[in-house]
Amino acid sequence: GAGVSQTPSNKVTEKGKYVELRCDPISGHTALYWYRQSLGQGPEFLIYFQGTGAADDSGLPNDRFFAVRPEGSVSTLKIQRTERGDSAVYLCASSPSGQFQETQYFGPGTRLLVL
Amino acid sequence: AQSVTQLDSHVSVSEGTPVLLRCNYSSSYSPSLFWYVQHPNKGLQLLLKYTSAATLVKGINGFEAEFKKSETSFHLTKPSAHMSDAAEYFCVVSRDSNYQLIWGAGTKLIIKP
Repeated sequence: GAGVSQTPSNKVTEKGKYVELRCDPISGHTALYWYRQSLGQGPEFLIYFQGTGAADDSGLPNDRFFAVRPEGSVSTLKIQRTERGDSAVYLCASSPSGQFQETQYFGPGTRLLVL
Repeated sequence: AQSVTQLDSHVSVSEGTPVLLRCNYSSSYSPSLFWYVQHPNKGLQLLLKYTSAATLVKGINGFEAEFKKSETSFHLTKPSAHMSDAAEYFCVVSRDSNYQLIWGAGTKLIIKP
């Protein structure tokens, strides 16, 4: 079956620009997660959606980062006024219901490079 | 507070020999522990998880891990390495109160022919 997909796979932008990263979760999964993975490190939690609402956005580093999931399926991570330090791989994952210890299924990621 | 430490950034073994990837954790409560694998240009995939049932956990592709509370360890092993095992492996601890995952820095497994 179809897994989690993310587009684009790569994004190069200039400092100060706005970018949108898209995540299409596994059909029927109500829980959706965004992570950021910097080079040589493990993923870092950004935000968790349960359905259409952001249940926990405590990992978003600052107010330049925002994410939406208007219909409870596809999610978009939005970064305003990008900085070179935002360069990383942005990972999306989904799980059936978001219960504790539930397995998360990851997409291949979007590699963002801010010049 | 919880944390996880992967003791080796790189591990190199010959094909057909055993694999040992080491992970130590700290947690105030009984943790949930996971191992994920990341192949180049592919998504992270769950290998196995410990959720307070059996302390020896079997996963996919012949991997297993043993939860040792006295040593606060959750090392990943495989009896015989294959070339296809070359990847980065992450040890992960789950927070007590929610779904957030605390990730180790990763161990890159290199398989020599």
